[in-house]
Amino acid sequence: DAGVIQSPRHEVTEMGQEVTLRCKPISGHNSLFWYRQTMMRGLELLIYFNNNVPIDDSGMPEDRFSAKMPNASFSTLKIQPSEPRDSAVYFCASSTGQQETQYFGPGTRLLVL
Amino acid sequence: AQSVTQLDSQVPVFEEAPVELRCNYSSSVSVYLFWYVQYPNQGLQLLLKYLSGSTLVKGINGFEAEFNKSQTSFHLRKPSVHISDTAEYFCAVRTVGGSYIPTFGRGTSLIVHP
Repeated sequence: DAGVIQSPRHEVTEMGQEVTLRCKPISGHNSLFWYRQTMMRGLELLIYFNNNVPIDDSGMPEDRFSAKMPNASFSTLKIQPSEPRDSAVYFCASSTGQQETQYFGPGTRLLVL
Repeated sequence: AQSVTQLDSQVPVFEEAPVELRCNYSSSVSVYLFWYVQYPNQGLQLLLKYLSGSTLVKGINGFEAEFNKSQTSFHLRKPSVHISDTAEYFCAVRTVGGSYIPTFGRGTSLIVHP
């Protein structure tokens, strides 16, 4: 298996632009997580999907952030409009159950100028 | 709700020396415990996990951890570290029968010097 796939790996954009991050979870995994990692705040959970349904989005910072999972093999995290404080590494992770390991993607390093 | 405290933000150590990275958790119910490692510019990957049974858990790359219920700890140890062990280490906890969402600690940066 190729593991969790994220694209793009790096994104540089200007403030006010829309940013879309993409994730393909491991086949057969029914849980998907989006995280944000910064030096100041560490690893933060943004949203959790189970069987393509958003279960907990309490970590989504504000209305500028939205996430979708139209099917079991694809999810997007969108920021519109982007701001410099959104600069971070965004990780997608998937798993199969509560006892199970989370498998992380390589991350998308976002820089908003 | 559960919480995780990693007591050291940074641990410097010389190559071939032993190391212990500390993790304490708080939960009113039984927990599953995990240690993840993050190498520079990579995602997190599992080192080891405790679900039940033996309190001493062995993981990859020579790491092991011991679950201590009375002290609510899950410290990570390695008897002899290598330069390649330089990385960020995260402790995580999930409650048994609870949410699938884990709670992560802030991480400990292990720096191995030659």
